[in-house]
Amino acid sequence: NAGVTQTPKFQVLKTGQSMTLQCAQDMNHNSMYWYRQDPGMGLRLIYYSASEGTTDKGEVPNGYNVSRLNKREFSLRLESAAPSQTSVYFCASTRDRGADTQYFGPGTRLTVL
Amino acid sequence: RKEVEQDPGPFNVPEGATVAFNCTYSNSASQSFFWYRQDCRKEPKLLMSVYSSGNEDGRFTAQLNRASQYISLLIRDSKLSDSATYLCVVNTGFNKFYFGSGTKLNVKP
Repeated sequence: NAGVTQTPKFQVLKTGQSMTLQCAQDMNHNSMYWYRQDPGMGLRLIYYSASEGTTDKGEVPNGYNVSRLNKREFSLRLESAAPSQTSVYFCASTRDRGADTQYFGPGTRLTVL
Repeated sequence: RKEVEQDPGPFNVPEGATVAFNCTYSNSASQSFFWYRQDCRKEPKLLMSVYSSGNEDGRFTAQLNRASQYISLLIRDSKLSDSATYLCVVNTGFNKFYFGSGTKLNVKP
């Protein structure tokens, strides 16, 4: 039981490049989330998926797209990376949208040059 | 105005001390409240949920004051291993979780 896994752990991109961050959970959770964490700031919600087949914008969605591929997997795509997207990205899941506890993946540290 | 505000610290305390953190939230309709712990460059992990009646887990006590819209965390008999950043989290309903920027705690020998 791995919980929430994320790949890659580290990535360096050049401005304008694209990439997809992968997230998977093996807890049979319905809801999944993508956050970014910048120095001195709390985690900010980028997108979330309340259940398989649905996605919704969070607090800071601009420049990102998501795909809820199936119940286990929720990916985050940067179509044209910008230096302002340099951050640590965390994926999380909850049993359902009303559930309390969020379980987080280990994070992806992304640098955009 | 931020949804959740915390004093960033750092709080530097000796081992064995008692330390308290507060957190305020802006949405009076917020439904559930939590404290998470985050170690340097790691993912946040749930420390405890916060209930209106207050709750305790070993050396940790959490309180919620809905009238004043603040949450507190009390750590008694601090250990070196308690050194971390403590995140206050508020759920305003369904999938809307808002995080404070965290309070850093350093416990010194």
